[in-house]
Amino acid sequence: KQEVTQIPAALSVPEGENLVLNCSFTDSAIYNLQWFRQDPGKGLTSLLLIQSSQREQTSGRLNASLDKSSGRSTLYIAASQPGDSATYLCAVLAMRGAQKLVFGQGTRLTINP
Amino acid sequence: GAGVSQTPSNKVTEKGKYVELRCDPISGHTALYWYRQSLGQGPEFLIYFQGTGAADDSGLPNDRFFAVRPEGSVSTLKIQRTERGDSAVYLCASGLAETDTQYFGPGTRLTVL
Repeated sequence: KQEVTQIPAALSVPEGENLVLNCSFTDSAIYNLQWFRQDPGKGLTSLLLIQSSQREQTSGRLNASLDKSSGRSTLYIAASQPGDSATYLCAVLAMRGAQKLVFGQGTRLTINP
Repeated sequence: GAGVSQTPSNKVTEKGKYVELRCDPISGHTALYWYRQSLGQGPEFLIYFQGTGAADDSGLPNDRFFAVRPEGSVSTLKIQRTERGDSAVYLCASGLAETDTQYFGPGTRLTVL
């Protein structure tokens, strides 16, 4: 059974810092991995999608890497801003069993001005 | 160019009542998913439609839960004899194909008193 873990559960940093969020998954048989952002009381916004054959994806100040063999992904946020404060979720699309997204519990990020 | 929409945004009901939650996917998306998110947790898969048929309903917790998508577009999640433990945010997502990016709606917050 695919399990996804995100560390840390919460993170608070001063504005301007670069930071890394971690995601690990137990089964490397995945189609892709997605990083989402969720603001309080809102739905999910897709940030980056990495196909299983890719190593990384970049969008603006965000960079996501994928090491499928070791079951790890990182989301790097450069020059953090207060507007980056949100919960960040990673999810894998599993190959085995149902083709569903399996989510981690999320990292709650707070950027302090 | 609308995204995924869900109605109602909030639903408060009493234990034992029947509720219906609606999802309007992005036009042209054949894949549609329902997830449930409890407070402080990542979303959990409920059911996946490809076109009109439920391709995988392995995430439905019990037979009180049922979902339909009769014309391959709008989907309705139906919950009979609601229980307090059903309280959660119910998220709908759609995509062009099974392994593509899933686009999420804002969710329906269900509260069972």
